[in-house]
Amino acid sequence: GENVEQHPSTLSVQEGDSAVIKCTYSDSASNYFPWYKQELGKGPQLIIDIRSNVGEKKDQRIAVTLNKTAKHFSLHITETQPEDSAVYFCATYLGSYIPTFGRGTSLIVHP
Amino acid sequence: SAVISQKPSRDICQRGTSLTIQCQVDSQVTMMFWYRQQPGQSLTLIATANQGSEATYESGFVIDKFPISRPNLTFSTLTVSNMSPEDSSIYLCSVGGDDEKLFFGSGTQLSVL
Repeated sequence: GENVEQHPSTLSVQEGDSAVIKCTYSDSASNYFPWYKQELGKGPQLIIDIRSNVGEKKDQRIAVTLNKTAKHFSLHITETQPEDSAVYFCATYLGSYIPTFGRGTSLIVHP
Repeated sequence: SAVISQKPSRDICQRGTSLTIQCQVDSQVTMMFWYRQQPGQSLTLIATANQGSEATYESGFVIDKFPISRPNLTFSTLTVSNMSPEDSSIYLCSVGGDDEKLFFGSGTQLSVL
């Protein structure tokens, strides 16, 4: 089955810096790659996603890039703010509603 | 996206008892799922809640321990039966939207003493 590795497990940045989280996957048939943000005491929230026919997608301060050849995709957050502090999960799909999740990255943004 | 209401938001239970978690969606959805998130861990799919038929359980999860009901397209329940401290987790309801997008409820924080 699909294997997803997410790094780093913890990321600490200063407010205003950029943050990058990377996920690698094993199954080249994966075709949908969402990112979720989970704040303390809340359920995961879909923040951005990308499909296999696109290399990059941007939404204000967040962007996702996909390298299908190397089988990795990354979440980029620019101009980080304290409210960006949360756990971020990547996921991959093989054409169904059942994703494989990464283990999560705890992002801490220091004011 | 659908609005998902999950309750209770948290509970503290004694071992050997059972807890039923409710998930209500503001619109009809075909795909509905239950996840478990152990402390500091990722999301693990327990089962797919099928409307009008038995749920489809993932490896490691059984109906006797986690019975699920799905009487209609807007509501589902998950029961955690005969609880032990190892069942202490966050339990999450999720629904499938358009184009494989998944949306999650706010979760139920369960602590078993």
